[in-house]
Amino acid sequence: GNSVTQMEGPVTLSEEAFLTINCTYTATGYPSLFWYVQYPGEGLQLLLKATKADDKGSNKGFEATYRKETTSFHLEKGSVQVSDSAVYFCAFTGGTDKLIFGTGTRLQVFP
Amino acid sequence: DTAVSQTPKYLVTQMGNDKSIKCEQNLGHDTMYWYKQDSKKFLKIMFSYNNKELIINETVPNRFSPKSPDKAHLNLHINSLELGDSAVYFCASSQGTGVSSEQYFGPGTRLTVT
Repeated sequence: GNSVTQMEGPVTLSEEAFLTINCTYTATGYPSLFWYVQYPGEGLQLLLKATKADDKGSNKGFEATYRKETTSFHLEKGSVQVSDSAVYFCAFTGGTDKLIFGTGTRLQVFP
Repeated sequence: DTAVSQTPKYLVTQMGNDKSIKCEQNLGHDTMYWYKQDSKKFLKIMFSYNNKELIINETVPNRFSPKSPDKAHLNLHINSLELGDSAVYFCASSQGTGVSSEQYFGPGTRLTVT
């Protein structure tokens, strides 16, 4: 069935470190892929998306590339900030508007 | 200008009670959703309405009943609350039902059942 697998957290980094949060998916058809971010006490916000193979989504220094051959959509950022501390959710839609979410990965960035 | 708003933000109630959570969006979207986020942050869709019609109804106890009086509102009524209903409930909206439609989320309602 449709599912998303994210790396377990928390991910703990020092400011300016490189970030990778892995995400792989299992889906039928050609899903659109998303990363959402949830800051403490807030709702989810769309961080970036990609709608077809080899597309790269990017926003606020974060990037993720839609890799159909490896069914992956790993999130990366070259230099994280304390303000990036949040929970990050990988998600996809496939054939409907139903978003399938991963379990979320908590990122903690320390000065 | 709040895009997707929910009331209340916090709701503490006892088992067996009936409660409602309200959601409103001012984005002009025609599709609205309810999601449940459990204590481990796992998010799962519950319902989706498009133009006031139910289009997604996941396996949710029938104690949960969504109501959409118009395109801008989707309320969630819960009967006979149980301890396991404690969670954060998020409302969201999108324009259309395409696979790439961006969903905008409300701030969430934290429900605690004691």
